[in-house]
Amino acid sequence: AQSVTQLDSQVPVFEEAPVELRCNYSSSVSVYLFWYVQYPNQGLQLLLKYLSGSTLVKGINGFEAEFNKSQTSFHLRKPSVHISDTAEYFCAVSLMTNAGKSTFGDGTTLTVKP
Amino acid sequence: GAGVSQSPSNKVTEKGKDVELRCDPISGHTALYWYRQSLGQGLEFLIYFQGNSAPDKSGLPSDRFSAERTGGSVSTLTIQRTQQEDSAVYLCASSLRRNTDTQYFGPGTRLTVL
Repeated sequence: AQSVTQLDSQVPVFEEAPVELRCNYSSSVSVYLFWYVQYPNQGLQLLLKYLSGSTLVKGINGFEAEFNKSQTSFHLRKPSVHISDTAEYFCAVSLMTNAGKSTFGDGTTLTVKP
Repeated sequence: GAGVSQSPSNKVTEKGKDVELRCDPISGHTALYWYRQSLGQGLEFLIYFQGNSAPDKSGLPSDRFSAERTGGSVSTLTIQRTQQEDSAVYLCASSLRRNTDTQYFGPGTRLTVL
């Protein structure tokens, strides 16, 4: 079975500062990895996903994540955040052998301050 | 085009009653997923469908929970003899074909069991 740990429940940052949201996973087999965002009073949407190939994945709104197999991590980064990036971010993993079943982390609340 | 829709948006019920939650996926999407999001927690996988078949029901919390999908479209999640711990937001998502295709989420149904 797979599991996901988001290491920070809350991350406060100032506008235009860089940010990293950390995600570690546990699995004995190969996985697919995802980051989702949930803006206040909006539905969940996909930010980016890693399926195969390049370990650096670029997503929407200037976010990127790097898959590190040796460290079983998939941290999300943005070089300069905006107020509008304030949201809850979820990391998720699914097994390549059962891609329909995703396991989500508990979420990280990113708060961008002016 | 229309996104994933769910009904009702809110449901308040008494302990012991049965409830039905409905999900209308994006037209043409063959894969459909149900999740549960409890307060302050991440998403918990419940079940997914490929067409009308459910290859993985392992996330259903108990035999009080069941789901079906008809005509490869609408899905219904039924909770029998509701308990207070069933209170949560129930989210539905759909993807085009493969489980690695982007999942598009509905707005959710907020279930409150008194």
